[in-house]
Amino acid sequence: QVQLVQSGAEVKKPGASVKVSCKASGYTFTSYGISWVRQAPGQGLEWMGWISAYNGNTNYAQKLQGRVTMTTDTSTSTAYMELRSLRSDDTAVYYCARDHVPYDSSGYFANWGQGTLVTVSS
Amino acid sequence: EIVLTQSPATLSLSPGERATLSCRASQSVSSYLAWYQQKPGQAPRLLIYDASNRATGIPARFSGSGSGTDFTLTISSLEPEDFAVYYCQQRSIRTFGQGTKVEIK
Repeated sequence: QVQLVQSGAEVKKPGASVKVSCKASGYTFTSYGISWVRQAPGQGLEWMGWISAYNGNTNYAQKLQGRVTMTTDTSTSTAYMELRSLRSDDTAVYYCARDHVPYDSSGYFANWGQGTLVTVSS
Repeated sequence: EIVLTQSPATLSLSPGERATLSCRASQSVSSYLAWYQQKPGQAPRLLIYDASNRATGIPARFSGSGSGTDFTLTISSLEPEDFAVYYCQQRSIRTFGQGTKVEIK
């Protein structure tokens, strides 16, 4: 079965960077894109961006352009999300999510990781 | 930018009752809309895609309808495990609505 397993919780100071990993199993990694979605405490869902595991193409949410980088390592079937210049309002649970349909640059999220809590505090 | 507005913010119902949740788009999204369920401390789960197609393993009591700008998620008879927050999401730029909480009355 499809599984996405994320790295553990992080505590960072304002201005620092964080890199969250998402290890995939149970499917052909390069056939599906991966999105990252975050959720601030008590708030709704915010799509951050998408990466094709096939060719590395990316599409980032405009508000995060310049601060976020998404990458993949096909040898380990792992996706990564790095967020820089962290602020207190970046405190959130960060989820990776696999596309519903293969080779689709826009779409829905069929499978989700368990989430990674990133806390930004001085 | 397409904005999705969900209503109501909170729906208070009893088990066995019918739930009707609304999602309105600021411009047409054709039938490219999904619904997710999220329970406390859990990741969201895809329920409905392309407005009316149930995702794998989703019970038949969940149904979706609509096209263009107005969409509805219906839960025909609420089970205890259905009390949760529900989000709509549009396909093209992947934005979400703000959510509707279905709580026990």
